[in-house]
Amino acid sequence: EVQLLESGGGLVQPGGSLRLSCAASGFTFSNYAMSWVRQAPGKGLEWVALNSGSGKSTYYADSVKGRFSISRDNSKNTLYLQLNSLRVEDTALYYCAKGSESSVYHSDYWGQGTLVTVSS
Amino acid sequence: QSALTQPASVSASPGESITISCTGTSSDVGGYNYVSWYQQHPGKAPKLMISDVSNRPSGVSNRFSGSKSGNTASLTISGLQAEDEADYYCSSYTRGSTLVVFGGGTKLTVL
Repeated sequence: EVQLLESGGGLVQPGGSLRLSCAASGFTFSNYAMSWVRQAPGKGLEWVALNSGSGKSTYYADSVKGRFSISRDNSKNTLYLQLNSLRVEDTALYYCAKGSESSVYHSDYWGQGTLVTVSS
Repeated sequence: QSALTQPASVSASPGESITISCTGTSSDVGGYNYVSWYQQHPGKAPKLMISDVSNRPSGVSNRFSGSKSGNTASLTISGLQAEDEADYYCSSYTRGSTLVVFGGGTKLTVL
């Protein structure tokens, strides 16, 4: 059974940093692209970043480019998202999502999310 | 403002059919067959319902179907059931600087 468990969220001041983790199990982690998608309270989904299975290719939304960094440790079956220079508008539930067998552009399994709150 | 445009809400009675539209441009929806649809119930994680315009993952009811014409993709739900009441989001690969874009979401109410 595929499981994705996010952690690392919390309350942080504007300008601060946070690192999110996503522990994966139930599939061969290194074979699949992984993404982070966020959802601000009461709002829609926003794609944030994607990391290829090997970890060599990364892609970011314009809204986080230069501030966030996605990475993975295939030996630990774990995906990360480093959040720097945080802004109030980064407040959201951050989901970890697994790319499918057929395409990296959609996600067939999602975690339950970890909440990031940016506030002074 | 979302990159893909969806109606904010749709409603219908049990047993009826509805179609949710998702309009983009030739740089995303119209140019590639990488449109997907997700269902999200309140307080829950999104669930993949349709991938690559019209492919239905294993376990998803055949009452759900997807299609595309030009720059607009559509999700059709037939034989509406109370459990279909949820938010629905489309997404697509985009040739722009961002790899993937989502629609703003559509709230489906089953009357």
